[in-house]
Parts: sequence; structure tokens; C-alpha cells
Amino acid sequence: NAGVMQNPRHLVRRRGQEARLRCSPMKGHSHVYWYRQLPEEGLKFMVYLQKENIIDESGMPKERFSAEFPKEGPSILRIQQVVRGDSAAYFCASSPLGQETQYFGPGTRLLVL
Amino acid sequence: DAKTTQPTSMDCAEGRAANLPCNHSTISGNEYVYWYRQIHSQGPQYIIHGLKNNETNEMASLIITEDRKSSTLILPHATLRDTAVYYCIVRLRTNLYGGSQGNLIFGKGTKLSVKP
Repeated sequence: NAGVMQNPRHLVRRRGQEARLRCSPMKGHSHVYWYRQLPEEGLKFMVYLQKENIIDESGMPKERFSAEFPKEGPSILRIQQVVRGDSAAYFCASSPLGQETQYFGPGTRLLVL
Repeated sequence: DAKTTQPTSMDCAEGRAANLPCNHSTISGNEYVYWYRQIHSQGPQYIIHGLKNNETNEMASLIITEDRKSSTLILPHATLRDTAVYYCIVRLRTNLYGGSQGNLIFGKGTKLSVKP
């Protein structure tokens, strides 16, 4: 059973461009979570989704950030008009229905020039 | 979720047991204790979790005190590859309808350095 997959692993964008980060949960997992880790800081929750539903987006910045988890395909974290402060590692985790344990992917490192 | 307190850093000799403490004095009866670790530049890795009984798996053992106000993660034979930041997290059990309780709250954790 493959683990949580994220791509790309590294992403470089110039200020003002859009960044799209993808997360494929583990097989059979219906919950997806996105976390952000700024340089030299801890992980911070951003958003929690189930298929076609956003359950909790309390950690997501109100502007420029959006997330989706469609019926088919990976979950997408989208950052519009990126700024240098968006440079961070973005981690996705997944869990199956009825279980608390979250399994993390390897992360996407976003660098904004 | 209850707050946890962990030492900032610890050292351990390779081959020896690493004992990582965690205080969670405000834990409630329906909250689990979870341990994750993050090896440099990698995603967090689940280690173990428990409610009130001691737990053991292939990676580690978790000892929870009888009053549940503290716990200890034990890596029985630490290797250099166990060098990482270890996070103790307390969170609610799954709700009655099977849904997750949502996000994990990561503190600063304990930076464990295993030395040869």
C-alpha cells in the first residue's frame, strides 16, 4: 500500500505566480489535511477536507489560498499570487474514516523568488 | 485538545534506550496520547498512540502513568537514524459518527540527538 504521495516535491515560483500542490492520500483514506511549516518553525494546520467537502479551514489564510478534494483525483492546495512569505514546506496527511491516526506525505517545498 | 510540555532537547548514546517524557496534566478522559517524529526535511512520521494502557509496537513503547497526566516514549535501542524532533500530541477520540476530530496541534517537540 503506497503511502501519501505529494507532488511536486520542489516548486519554484516567482512573486505573483500561482502554485498548485497535489496530494494523493493513502488508498482507502477519505480524509485529507494540509499543514504548513515555515523555515525553522513547527507545523501549522491549514485545512481539513473530505471528498468534495471542506470540513475545517480555520488555519487557512483568508486571501489567495484555497483547497479542494474532488470526488476523483488528488487533493489540491492552490496559492494564487504567491509572495515570498509563502515559501515553506507544505505537508499533506490522510486518515481513514473512523480513525485518528494521520499519515503524512513527504511534503512539497515551495520557494518563491 | 490538552496542552503538552516536553523538554526542548535530549541526547542519547547509540544503542541505548531513549526515554522521552511528556507532561499533559490537563488531559481529559477521552483524549489519546499520540507521538510523531520528524526527521530533518521529511514529513512527520506516526510512531504510536495510547489511551490509558501501555502500548508497544515495532518502533517504540508508550508508557502512560496511571493518572494519565504524563507519558514516556521509549525507543529501546536508539540508532543514529532516530535523530529527529519528537512530538507528543493529545487529542480527542473519534466522534460518535466516525469522523475525525481534525487537525493535529504540533508544539515545539523534543529534539533528540543520538550520538555514536
